[in-house]
Amino acid sequence: DTAVSQTPKYLVTQMGNDKSIKCEQNLGHDTMYWYKQDSKKFLKIMFSYNNKELIINETVPNRFSPKSPDKAHLNLHINSLELGDSAVYFCASSQDGNPETQYFGPGTRLLVL
Amino acid sequence: AQSVTQLDSQVPVFEEAPVELRCNYSSSVSVYLFWYVQYPNQGLQLLLKYLSGSTLVKGINGFEAEFNKSQTSFHLRKPSVHISDTAEYFCAVTGGGNKLTFGTGTQLKVEL
Repeated sequence: DTAVSQTPKYLVTQMGNDKSIKCEQNLGHDTMYWYKQDSKKFLKIMFSYNNKELIINETVPNRFSPKSPDKAHLNLHINSLELGDSAVYFCASSQDGNPETQYFGPGTRLLVL
Repeated sequence: AQSVTQLDSQVPVFEEAPVELRCNYSSSVSVYLFWYVQYPNQGLQLLLKYLSGSTLVKGINGFEAEFNKSQTSFHLRKPSVHISDTAEYFCAVTGGGNKLTFGTGTQLKVEL
């Protein structure tokens, strides 16, 4: 019974390609997040959605587009992938945007060649 | 805005020895503080949190942390570590809003 799941777990692709990462949570939470963890393990928030509405949008290239079809899902689409996009992307969810209830997914390891 | 500093990027320690991982924060508002653990190739797991009340908070796996407002610190401690504690540890802060700000992490390496 995975609380926050992500697919795929690993993603290797060529520069210039478009790819998507999917996230689903079965906790009944109303807020979902995408984080990026770079090669130095630095973890930074990218986006947050509450009830399908975008509430946090950090300085992220517009090649990254989150989509929330319902409050249990938050997908991340990346256009025209660049070498610098290589990172681990974590999805997370929480209730009412409260960080103390935030659960993280296992991560998607993206490698752009 | 909040920020977090974890001065130690790596902390090697022998098994059964005590350990302290340092975390300092800066904020213009009252804060909530968190420690997360990341085992190799896994996501982040909440170890413990300080929201209010007692400044000494206890978490999972025998870890504890003390909130010190005057020193703006929230150091993580464990009296006796185990090999299985080898992981990356992240301190995080929020000013009560939706957004967590993370430190750069401390790699705890427990050796026999």
